[in-house]
Amino acid sequence: QQQVKQSPQSLIVQKGGIPIINCAYENTAFDYFPWYQQFPGKGPALLIAIRPDVSEKKEGRFTISFNKSAKQFSLHIMDSQPGDSATYFCAASLIFGNEKLTFGTGTRLTIIP
Amino acid sequence: DAGVIQSPRHEVTEMGQEVTLRCKPISGHDYLFWYRQTMMRGLELLIYFNNNVPIDDSGMPEDRFSAKMPNASFSTLKIQPSEPRDSAVYFCASSAGLAGRYEQFFGPGTRLTVL
Repeated sequence: QQQVKQSPQSLIVQKGGIPIINCAYENTAFDYFPWYQQFPGKGPALLIAIRPDVSEKKEGRFTISFNKSAKQFSLHIMDSQPGDSATYFCAASLIFGNEKLTFGTGTRLTIIP
Repeated sequence: DAGVIQSPRHEVTEMGQEVTLRCKPISGHDYLFWYRQTMMRGLELLIYFNNNVPIDDSGMPEDRFSAKMPNASFSTLKIQPSEPRDSAVYFCASSAGLAGRYEQFFGPGTRLTVL
């Protein structure tokens, strides 16, 4: 019930391509879905987040698509650049009454020039 | 603000030794989280505190692990005795409130190697 399943485990995309990372959850009480980005040797940092009252959110080249009925959400990176190479984690939490995040297992993304 | 500060950044120790990891959260944040990251298990929440009080330690793997937060600006994670399977990167994170409303800020991590 508390799991967030993330795929793929790793992804290699050419510069300019659109990598897509998918996450699925079971707990319908989750209502906050952030994505964290982690560069080698650094801690994860919040990239973008969405609440289920919208189906899509864009911030620059990063877009979250949310499908409430399917209990799935995904991260798309437009015009991907080598500097986007990092590990990406999806996560979920309750908006009220739960202080912690449940993280997916991570996707190691490599953008090749 | 300097962000979340962790020390040491790297720790190499021998099996059976005591290891103490340290964290200074961002000033004003009332939640502090300890995570462990490994290739096999990803990012695992070990324990978190609210206003210096431990709230949920269900992620602490064994009694060999303990965590304290004596005041709002300092927390420790201790492993005694350490074992090779404890080798991982340990992150401390802090936030100003509930996970669903406030961003968690992560420190740079401590890479622990137990030989």
